[in-house]
Amino acid sequence: AAGVIQSPRHLIKEKRETATLKCYPIPRHDTVYWYQQGPGQDPQFLISFYEKMQSDKGSIPDRFSAQQFSDYHSELNMSSLELGDSALYFCASSSGTGNYGYTFGSGTRLTVV
Amino acid sequence: AQKVTQAQTEISVVEKEDVTLDCVYETRDTTYYLFWYKQPPSGELVFLIRRNSFDEQNEISGRYSWNFQKSTSSFNFTITASQVVDSAVYFCALRRGNDYKLSFGAGTTVTVRA
Repeated sequence: AAGVIQSPRHLIKEKRETATLKCYPIPRHDTVYWYQQGPGQDPQFLISFYEKMQSDKGSIPDRFSAQQFSDYHSELNMSSLELGDSALYFCASSSGTGNYGYTFGSGTRLTVV
Repeated sequence: AQKVTQAQTEISVVEKEDVTLDCVYETRDTTYYLFWYKQPPSGELVFLIRRNSFDEQNEISGRYSWNFQKSTSSFNFTITASQVVDSAVYFCALRRGNDYKLSFGAGTTVTVRA
């Protein structure tokens, strides 16, 4: 079965650079979520989109922005990167609000040096 | 506000032992959903189970079982006859009925020694 696809798997950036993470949801899933997991931490919700509109917002820095496109894939754009942005970034997708659970991608490991 | 507490930071067992992971949650909502995810050393988050607030039936799936008790706001997870491949971080998570986001507990690291 198709899963949530995230790219790239690994990314190394320097401070103050920009990074773009991509997420391709499971086919027919209309909701996409982004989470950030710092080292030794639990995943923290950043933002979600339902039918290409922002549906919920968590602790996402102003330096980050995201959107969901017409094909339902989503991109997380991160500017002016800081060392503290180094983390594992997960995307998840679901149908609606995920009452039947939602599926996470394998994550993008971002390292800021 | 909603909160998930996993009081056990780390658990170490020898293979074939049973291990129970505790999860206590707080929410004022009557409709909510509870989840367990497994995060192996490779890093991905693997969905294990979802339970809604109206379904207190316990569930068993192979060596995994879950005990949901609304009276004590707990959703505990037991691995029976643990195996080395069970070594991972296990997260309990909560979602409000009309919400999109999951609130995760801090996770419990399970190490199964051969």
